[in-house]
Amino acid sequence: GQQLNQSPQSMFIQEGEDVSMNCTSSSIFNTWLWYKQDPGEGPVLLIALYKAGELTSNGRLTAQFGITRKDSFLNISASIPSDVGIYFCAGTGGFGNEKLTFGTGTRLTIIP
Amino acid sequence: GAVVSQHPSWVICKSGTSVKIECRSLDFQATTMFWYRQFPKQSLMLMATSNEGSKATYEQGVEKDKFLINHASLTLSTLTVTSAHPEDSSFYICSAPYTSGYGYTFGSGTRLTVV
Repeated sequence: GQQLNQSPQSMFIQEGEDVSMNCTSSSIFNTWLWYKQDPGEGPVLLIALYKAGELTSNGRLTAQFGITRKDSFLNISASIPSDVGIYFCAGTGGFGNEKLTFGTGTRLTIIP
Repeated sequence: GAVVSQHPSWVICKSGTSVKIECRSLDFQATTMFWYRQFPKQSLMLMATSNEGSKATYEQGVEKDKFLINHASLTLSTLTVTSAHPEDSSFYICSAPYTSGYGYTFGSGTRLTVV
């Protein structure tokens, strides 16, 4: 099935550093969602974006919905150990009930 | 709110047997449930979409006779992996869209190992 291209594939950072990852698509999405998945768990929603150009924050996390509706980025400021995990972007063409298309994931590792 | 409870969290079964995975919406009615499969170090791939009271819609390449989906009530959807083989070993996750507002909540996943 279709997937969103997410980069980077993996990141190795030190605690306290800022993190930036992005997601691109060849087709338009009307809703962009960012999830975090811990090992052996289901994804947990971090931020939801519903409007092109929208910039939304959730604590140390900030995400933006690209103006072309074909991309989105997620920033994490001042990383902490519990930020370790896999981050997925996901998009849908509609505004609810439609199936999600997932990105390829970014694995974040914090180096002691 | 909007919690989906998924059971079991892990299961080991013998090749050729069937395994049932349940997802229950605890505090909302899930008219739609999405079923995903995730192989190690890979993303979530949608397998099928179930709608309460109707037949599930399967993604291309997913065998509907092997992965039986039942969505008989607004709070319960089940996925049965029939005649499981080692290549069916994977992490299976369900997800339901919220009924109030926009968003999707996920179950905690089921790790299936077929030996």
